[in-house]
Amino acid sequence: EVQLVESGGDLIQPGGSLRLSCAASGFTVSSNFMGWVRQAPGKGLEWVSTIFGGGSTAYYADSVKGRFTISRGDLTNTVDLQMNSLRAEDTAVYYCARGATGAWAYHFDYWGQGALVTVSS
Amino acid sequence: QSALAQPASVSASPGQSITISCTGTSTDIGRNNYVAWYQHHPGKGPRVVVSDVTKRPSGVSDRFSGSRSGNTASLTISGLQAEDEADYYCGSYTYNSDRWVFGGGTKVTV
Repeated sequence: EVQLVESGGDLIQPGGSLRLSCAASGFTVSSNFMGWVRQAPGKGLEWVSTIFGGGSTAYYADSVKGRFTISRGDLTNTVDLQMNSLRAEDTAVYYCARGATGAWAYHFDYWGQGALVTVSS
Repeated sequence: QSALAQPASVSASPGQSITISCTGTSTDIGRNNYVAWYQHHPGKGPRVVVSDVTKRPSGVSDRFSGSRSGNTASLTISGLQAEDEADYYCGSYTYNSDRWVFGGGTKVTV
């Protein structure tokens, strides 16, 4: 059974750093592209970042580019999101999501329950 | 402002059908088949109910169906049930810019 469990959410001051981790089970993260999607309070889903199976190709939303870094741990079967220079507008529930398997499949087929990140002084 | 436009809310009685629209542009919805619909109950992770415009993943009720006309994709839920009450998001991958975009979400009330 595919499962994704996020951890690392916390209350952090503006300008601070935080690292989220997504532990995967039931598959290997190197076999699928993986992503992070967030939902700010009262708002809709916003794509944050995606890393492809090869591990060296990553994409970011303009709102986080230069501040966030996605990475994959093949030995630990995890996907991490390093968040630096955090702003109040980064406050959100962050979901880890698995990219669908197969050629020309670009949707997310499994999602975690989310981790809450609150940026406030 | 979301890249894809959805109605904020839709409501209907049990047993009725509803259709949620998702309007994009010729560079996303109108250009490729990478449109998906996600069901999101508060406090849980989203679940894909339609992928690749019209495909229904294993385990998803056949009451859910997807379609597209031009730059607008649609999700139809027939025979509405209480458990269908949730937020629904359309999402699309933009091949030429390697980005994913979501609609603003539609709250479905049964």
